[in-house]
Amino acid sequence: RKEVEQDPGPFNVPEGATVAFNCTYSNSASQSFFWYRQDCRKEPKLLMSVYSSGNEDGRFTAQLNRASQYISLLIRDSKLSDSATYLCVAASGAGSYQLTFGKGTKLSVIP
Amino acid sequence: GAVVSQHPSRVICKSGTSVKIECRSLDFQATTMFWYRQFPKQSLMLMATSNEGSKATYEQGVEKDKFLINHASLTLSTLTVTSAHPEDSSFYICSALDRALAKNIQYFGAGTRLSVL
Repeated sequence: RKEVEQDPGPFNVPEGATVAFNCTYSNSASQSFFWYRQDCRKEPKLLMSVYSSGNEDGRFTAQLNRASQYISLLIRDSKLSDSATYLCVAASGAGSYQLTFGKGTKLSVIP
Repeated sequence: GAVVSQHPSRVICKSGTSVKIECRSLDFQATTMFWYRQFPKQSLMLMATSNEGSKATYEQGVEKDKFLINHASLTLSTLTVTSAHPEDSSFYICSALDRALAKNIQYFGAGTRLSVL
């Protein structure tokens, strides 16, 4: 079974804190990886793609370790608006269109 | 980014009725659309992949006769939940792929929350 595992949290952190989320995937044929954020009762929205070389987008840094089948997301200087559930996603299949979602890690940033 | 419109956002219906959900790509042509379902505190689960002009491909365990998918144009896919029962109550989300961008990014609709009484 193709699975993506995440710590469900919740992570409760103060504003300005740095927080890290981890994720593992079981399908070694997965080709692409993403982090999405999902606000309560809303649709998921793409946060960033994840590359083996690591990539950064402002306060967000994502890392991929294919050998360990491990993905991470680091959020620096947390804002109240970062409060959401973060979904780890692995894509596989022809064209990498088959997305497998983790259950998500809930983050609450506290004033 | 590309916009995907999903309608309705909320449906409450009686057991036994059928419910149709529409998913439209507003500013691009979506040859492929996906239908997901999410139960509370669970991950999004792919139900089916919908390709324009052909039959949908259903994931294991998803009844094709219960969840009818029609993708008759490049901008519209519909999911009909036939003879809905309370266990079908869930959050249904569609996504669309813009192949013209040559990226495997899926753009999601806002979702439809279905409650079957």
